[in-house]
Parts: sequence; structure tokens; C-alpha cells
Amino acid sequence: KAGVTQTPRYLIKTRGQQVTLSCSPISGHRSVSWYQQTPGQGLQFLFEYFSETQRNKGNFPGRFSGRQFSNSRSEMNVSTLELGDSALYLCASSLGFGLVGEGTDTQYFGPGTRLTVL
Amino acid sequence: TQLLEQSPQFLSIQEGENLTVYCNSSSVFSSLQWYRQEPGEGPVLLVTVVTGGEVKKLKRLTFQFGDARKDSSLHITAAQPGDTGLYLCAGDQGAQKLVFGQGTRLTINP
Repeated sequence: KAGVTQTPRYLIKTRGQQVTLSCSPISGHRSVSWYQQTPGQGLQFLFEYFSETQRNKGNFPGRFSGRQFSNSRSEMNVSTLELGDSALYLCASSLGFGLVGEGTDTQYFGPGTRLTVL
Repeated sequence: TQLLEQSPQFLSIQEGENLTVYCNSSSVFSSLQWYRQEPGEGPVLLVTVVTGGEVKKLKRLTFQFGDARKDSSLHITAAQPGDTGLYLCAGDQGAQKLVFGQGTRLTINP
């Protein structure tokens, strides 16, 4: 079974630009979660999509948005890039049936997209 | 926001030594997960602990969940160079949302 794939693997952008990252989950998985990883803040939850709906959201500004398609593939968009957005962006897929208070399905992470903002 | 604190942040030891990594929080989690991440890759799940006081073993790695489900530890016996990596603990907030510790960067020197 193929793992989680993320494209592109590396990106270099300049301040003010926008960027779109893509994540293809494991076949049969309906949930995709996005995380930002930086040396200073570690791994931080951005948002989670299940069946094309955002179910959960972290504490990031509205410049960070996402969507999910009917085939469960997900995209994340960051507008008006800032230097501080430089990070490794990870997506994780799971079956997605965990509910609040009922635990979380095992999440399988992709290799990430390394974004550098100059 | 629930926070997880990991210690130590960096650890460099010789092959064959034992080590323990700690993950502490003031909040209760329904479960806690340990991941290992290598350069250029995403985190890979090692174990999930669910019950307070639970101990799980994975070869030379022993994971323990605190009785109150607020803390956890990872103990490695007879560390090997292949154990080198970033170890992350993550608390389950439900609905696919994990809160991660800062990580412990472990280096095992031959």
C-alpha cells in the first residue's frame, strides 16, 4: 500500500507570495491533518479535513487555509507569505473516525514539504 | 492550549548506554503517542499508550504512561547508533488533533 505523498518536496518563495501544497493520503483514508514544524515551535496542528469538511482547526491566522477533494486529496494554501512561515509542512492521513473524547486514529505522516520564504 | 514538555531536548550518549526521555503535561490526555523522525522524513509512530500506568515494550524501547495520564517516559536500553533520531511525544486531543512536545534529539555515538 502506498504511503502518504506530498508535493512538492521543496519550495522557495518570497515574502508576499502565496503557495499551495498538496497531500495525497493512503488509499481508503478519509482524514487529512496538516502540521507545521519549525525548530522553535516544534510540530503544531494547523487543521484537519474529513470528507471534504474542516473538522478541527489550530491557532493559525486566516492566511493559512485548506481544502479537501472528493478523492480525499488535500491542499493547503498560505497567502501573503512571511519569513516566519518558513517551515516543514507535514500532512498526516488516517481513517478519521476518531471523535472528540473518543481518541484519534493512528496518523501516518508524509515526508513533508520544506518551504523557505526569502 | 494543552502543552507537552519533553526533556531533555538534546541527548548525546555512547553506544551501549541506557537513557530515558520524559514527556510531561499538566493536562490529562486520552492517549499519548511516541514518534521517531529522521531527517527528510515525517514522524513514524512507535507506540500508543492509552491506560494510566500502562507499560509497553518494543524490543529495547520501554514506554510508560503515568497513572494520571499526564506524563509518559521512553526508556532505551543498550542504545545503538541506529536509535539516533528525533523522538516526539504527542497527546491526543481527539478528532485527529495531536499536540506535540518539542522533541528530544538523540545522538548515539559508536
